[in-house]
Amino acid sequence: GAGVSQSPSNKVTEKGKDVELRCDPISGHTALYWYRQRLGQGLEFLIYFQGNSAPDKSGLPSDRFSAERTGESVSTLTIQRTQQEDSAVYLCASSLDPGTDTQYFGPGTRLTVL
Amino acid sequence: KQEVTQIPAALSVPEGENLVLNCSFTDSAIYNLQWFRQDPGKGLTSLLLIQSSQREQTSGRLNASLDKSSGRSTLYIAASQPGDSATYLCAVRGGSGGSNYKLTFGKGTLLTVNP
Repeated sequence: GAGVSQSPSNKVTEKGKDVELRCDPISGHTALYWYRQRLGQGLEFLIYFQGNSAPDKSGLPSDRFSAERTGESVSTLTIQRTQQEDSAVYLCASSLDPGTDTQYFGPGTRLTVL
Repeated sequence: KQEVTQIPAALSVPEGENLVLNCSFTDSAIYNLQWFRQDPGKGLTSLLLIQSSQREQTSGRLNASLDKSSGRSTLYIAASQPGDSATYLCAVRGGSGGSNYKLTFGKGTLLTVNP
């Protein structure tokens, strides 16, 4: 079946602009996660959705970052007034059971802020 | 705060060699540990998932072990092939006072298998 998909695959933007990153999880997966991977760093947890609710937003680095999920499906990560330090690969994952199940990752969106 | 360390950061071996990648974590109160492979432009592929009650998992030429009390895991790759070249990531889920869904990742081991 189809895996997790993300769009765009690459995004180049100018400092100060807003960007939206999209994630389509595996159908039927109720849990959805966003992670960020900056150059030379490990993946950092950003936010977790169970259904359309986000019980844990603790990883969002600042109030410029927000995310939503609708229809227990598609999720959008929005970064307002982008800064150069936001440049990273943003990865989305989904799973059936947030407690024990494997998290399946999408290919990521590479964001470059000039 | 859970921290995950992977050693070595990079490894280059000739084809056919058996090899071991190491992962350590600071908080042993984990739910499970997962090994991933990351290829450029293709995201992460899950290789093996070990629940906290298990000691090892095997898939083909891969074997992962978990010693929760000492905070260690190893990924053993038998008879390595050039197609195994990738970055291997270790991730743990949970820790004292932590969540049962958040993965904490190491920085990975970059493996190169030379023909």
